[in-house]
Amino acid sequence: AQSVTQLGSHVSVSEGALVLLRCNYSSSVPPYLFWYVQYPNQGLQLLLKYTSAATLVKGINGFEAEFKKSETSFHLTKPSAHMSDAAEYFCAVSGGYQKVTFGTGTKLQVIP
Amino acid sequence: NAGVTQTPKFQVLKTGQSMTLQCAQDMNHNSMYWYRQDPGMGLRLIYYSASEGTTDKGEVPNGYNVSRLNKREFSLRLESAAPSQTSVYFCASSDGQGGQETQYFGPGTRLLVL
Repeated sequence: AQSVTQLGSHVSVSEGALVLLRCNYSSSVPPYLFWYVQYPNQGLQLLLKYTSAATLVKGINGFEAEFKKSETSFHLTKPSAHMSDAAEYFCAVSGGYQKVTFGTGTKLQVIP
Repeated sequence: NAGVTQTPKFQVLKTGQSMTLQCAQDMNHNSMYWYRQDPGMGLRLIYYSASEGTTDKGEVPNGYNVSRLNKREFSLRLESAAPSQTSVYFCASSDGQGGQETQYFGPGTRLLVL
């Protein structure tokens, strides 16, 4: 069985502040982990993914995430928030040939 | 490349009516998926197709049927719509099924069942 838990359905940050979106996973096999972003009225698009190479993964738009096996976490960070980062972010997990399981999402609000 | 396209973008149905949601991809991907997105519940897999000619149930298949018409097209049918099927439906595709592939999503179909 596999699952992801995203802590905080809504997160607000000031423009220029650090963005930290939390994700914890559960998987019975070594996981593949993903962060997807959804802008209003659009489909999801991949931000970054971990596939057992480097534990620190860099994605698009300045985002990165670190895989920590001991903490079963894959938190998403960005040093300085931009207004254009306002969106909903989904963490997802897949174990081998299992289908991808998505978290419930975190809506990021960026305050000017 | 258009990527993944979905039609219609928005639909209103009355309870008991039927409809088919269409999805097509032009990336030559083997795997295709149908998800529904509901507030606070993330994305839940309805059906998927690992390759042309095969389909399998996902997490929430009740009330839906699918057809993998060819490698490009994967349709979702609601035979008798219910208010509980009010949702946003997303189609996605990926190249393979090993678990690490990126999924590419369409823009979604917003369905309201009255």
